[in-house]
Amino acid sequence: EADIYQTPRYLVIGTGKKITLECSQTMGHDKMYWYQQDPGMELHLIHYSYGVNSTEKGDLSSESTVSRIRTEHFPLTLESARPSHTSQYLCASTVPGPGSTEAFFGQGTRLTVV
Amino acid sequence: SQQGEEDPQALSIQEGENATMNCSYKTSINNLQWYRQNSGRGLVHLILIRSNEREKHSGRLRVTLDTSKKSSSLLITASRAADTASYFCATFTSGNTPLVFGKGTRLSVIA
Repeated sequence: EADIYQTPRYLVIGTGKKITLECSQTMGHDKMYWYQQDPGMELHLIHYSYGVNSTEKGDLSSESTVSRIRTEHFPLTLESARPSHTSQYLCASTVPGPGSTEAFFGQGTRLTVV
Repeated sequence: SQQGEEDPQALSIQEGENATMNCSYKTSINNLQWYRQNSGRGLVHLILIRSNEREKHSGRLRVTLDTSKKSSSLLITASRAADTASYFCATFTSGNTPLVFGKGTRLSVIA
């Protein structure tokens, strides 16, 4: 059982609200990722981090931002939620070191913006 | 852009049959991984195959890798209703590049 946690599991929020999706892991992994998953299953990388104070944008343009102040914590923030942000958001981390890249995923946050 | 493309998109089989899913990718890789996702949950790692390996087994799972064709297959033998899930391949290229996932195959095993 992976020690990576996402909160909340479900969130329904009104347009224009600011929200933060939490992701924490207790495995000491340096590398952490946020994926956005379409209803049709495809995963899109939106942000990643290779350590404290390191953040990068992924392949999919996203209006969200992330921060990495502590190794174990990688929150994702939407300053002003819109219906187009409705999706499943998955957080993951990988073990440190080259080549060994098995990813551990949280249970996901299903966001609905109304 | 997505690196992996799974085929088929959806597969429905009877319990006890074998299920085969394929994954094609575009660039050279260090390793390829398969993941499983139950409905509405996170992904769970199943198996990893390195670029210098051609076949790997884990329980009822068999993975093959053909780097010349840039393709991999996942075989689940003697499928069970509990195998019903979505299956994704993911590729790792090198260095600090992140894992890139394919679009997934939705498998339904009918009891």
